[in-house]
Amino acid sequence: GEEVAQTPKHLVRGEGQKAKLYCAPIKGHSYVFWYQQVLKNEFKFLISFQNENVFDETGMPKERFSAKCLPNSPCSLEIQATKLEDSAVYFCASSQAGRDSNQPQHFGDGTRLSIL
Amino acid sequence: AQTVTQSQPEMSVQEAETVTLSCTYDTSESDYYLFWYKQPPSRQMILVIRQEAYKQQNATENRFSVNFQKAAKSFSLKISDSQLGDAAMYFCAYRSGGSNYKLTFGKGTLLTVNP
Repeated sequence: GEEVAQTPKHLVRGEGQKAKLYCAPIKGHSYVFWYQQVLKNEFKFLISFQNENVFDETGMPKERFSAKCLPNSPCSLEIQATKLEDSAVYFCASSQAGRDSNQPQHFGDGTRLSIL
Repeated sequence: AQTVTQSQPEMSVQEAETVTLSCTYDTSESDYYLFWYKQPPSRQMILVIRQEAYKQQNATENRFSVNFQKAAKSFSLKISDSQLGDAAMYFCAYRSGGSNYKLTFGKGTLLTVNP
């Protein structure tokens, strides 16, 4: 598709439950990025993929967060045993190539995760 | 690690006037890219303008232009002839020119446009 498609738009979970978010990058884009935007608007980088391979996972809280990008499937971000502090908007972005700024990151509309 | 600072949490401008949003960054790299993104209440992230560090010429996109001062590590955004639709959060972002492609964002500036 021509847009980064994120589903669902809004996800509500009770504390301790699992949450799974999905992202379909723009067709032909080989890089996928996940960012977390907390209520104070601050963005935090979580993880990036080059095709189905993890490219940079330095931002991932590895204890409860995991992510995958499998061939012919949407990418996913999964949070186990959610905590109140996980409440945020999670953005997925994709780009055609990593290095060239003429191929900027295109963002999806985000998934708002609310932990009750 | 690179940091991006937006010192103005909020700014306001009268419709049709000009406003400048500030952004400074800290890096030891010589090769990098800078971006301004707009986030309206719909929370979409819209790329406004981008600048390659190796280019001396300031980028311009219609009513949006930047003042890129590499030595001062400053990257301000000027919006001319402000329109009501320009009201949004504006984020300055940095990306390394090396092998790390993630974006590092500032904390944002909320722009209000008064009719």
